[in-house]
Amino acid sequence: SQQGEEDPQALSIQEGENATMNCSYKTSINNLQWYRQNSGRGLVHLILIRSNEREKHSGRLRVTLDTSKKSSSLLITASRAADTASYFCATAGQGAAGNKLTFGGGTRVLVKP
Amino acid sequence: GAGVSQSPRYKVAKRGQDVALRCDPISGHVSLFWYQQALGQGPEFLTYFQNEAQLDKSGLPSDRFFAERPEGSVSTLKIQRTQQEDSAVYLCASSPRWSYSYNEQFFGPGTRLTVL
Repeated sequence: SQQGEEDPQALSIQEGENATMNCSYKTSINNLQWYRQNSGRGLVHLILIRSNEREKHSGRLRVTLDTSKKSSSLLITASRAADTASYFCATAGQGAAGNKLTFGGGTRVLVKP
Repeated sequence: GAGVSQSPRYKVAKRGQDVALRCDPISGHVSLFWYQQALGQGPEFLTYFQNEAQLDKSGLPSDRFFAERPEGSVSTLKIQRTQQEDSAVYLCASSPRWSYSYNEQFFGPGTRLTVL
């Protein structure tokens, strides 16, 4: 079963707009990661935020983490057509549970040129 | 440099056939993971190796699923007597350090298995 839920399930925006997607999870975590998956391809790691961090930036990506609400958000600024993909959050648990990632169901993002 | 590779990329099997899926992790990566991704869903954990030791196989859905990594490098996921519900993309990932150092995982392109 999947740990988290992502919201929205699908998102359609125009090139240049910002895209925001949210992830909720259920159990305590060591870190939360975001991955991108293009159609028919493997997952590419985007960013990792640890449980003691609240916000992290990488290029056009901004991730927030609220452990009290067990939620995270991913913001993609100034989106491009090449950002069209599915985005997944994944959590790494505490201790022995950190040896695997538990993924959400994903947000499918379409960026229209 | 070379990433994680998987073969075959596509596999069609008749129900009841055995299949073997191969994963070549990034050289030197200690940890290796297998995930199953159903259509339109996120990946789900199957099993985890640290070098040659299989430390967690809690995600394997049945005893028809078996994974090995005998020399701590290449891994094979074997599915016996395939069923239609086994149809999915099987993803392999590797990580450079011990799992509890909480690193990102590097994923291969996956093997799409279709069971007819």
